[in-house]
Amino acid sequence: AAGVIQSPRHLIKEKRETATLKCYPIPRHDTVYWYQQGPGQDPQFLISFYEKMQSDKGSIPDRFSAQQFSDYHSELNMSSLELGDSALYFCASSVLQGAGSPLHFGNGTRLTVT
Amino acid sequence: AQSVTQLDSHVSVSEGTPVLLRCNYSSSYSPSLFWYVQHPNKGLQLLLKYTSAATLVKGINGFEAEFKKSETSFHLTKPSAHMSDAAEYFCVVTERTGGYNKLIFGAGTRLAVHP
Repeated sequence: AAGVIQSPRHLIKEKRETATLKCYPIPRHDTVYWYQQGPGQDPQFLISFYEKMQSDKGSIPDRFSAQQFSDYHSELNMSSLELGDSALYFCASSVLQGAGSPLHFGNGTRLTVT
Repeated sequence: AQSVTQLDSHVSVSEGTPVLLRCNYSSSYSPSLFWYVQHPNKGLQLLLKYTSAATLVKGINGFEAEFKKSETSFHLTKPSAHMSDAAEYFCVVTERTGGYNKLIFGAGTRLAVHP
């Protein structure tokens, strides 16, 4: 079965650079979520989109932005990178059918800022 | 607001012995609850979910969890641990805000399995 695809798997950037993370949800999933997981921490919700519109916003820094495109893939844009942005970034998708819809996660993008 | 408490940050068992990972939740209404597993440097994989059907939920890899409303618990169990079960486990409750779902994660329980 198709899963959530994230690219790249690994990314190394220097401070103050920009990065773009991509997420391709499971076909026919209408909702995309972005999570950030620091070392030894639980995933922290950043932002979500439903039908290409932002549906919820969590602890996403102002330096970050995201959008969902007409083909439902999503991109997380990160600017003025800081050392503390080094983390595993997960994308997840679901079908919005009430609170019982599970999220399906991608394998994540590991961002290292040096 | 919903919240999730995983009572143990680390659990260590011997291979072949039972596994119990504890989770308590708080919710103002009947919640949807999930257990996810995360192997090192991997994504989160859904183990099982409870969505107000049967209170005993069976998941993948021999795991199951029982929803106990009176105890506000959703503990994860497995009769016999395997070395490949060593991973981080997250108990998750969904919160529906403004018509959209948000996952609330517990802090995670790291399961170690010894030979």
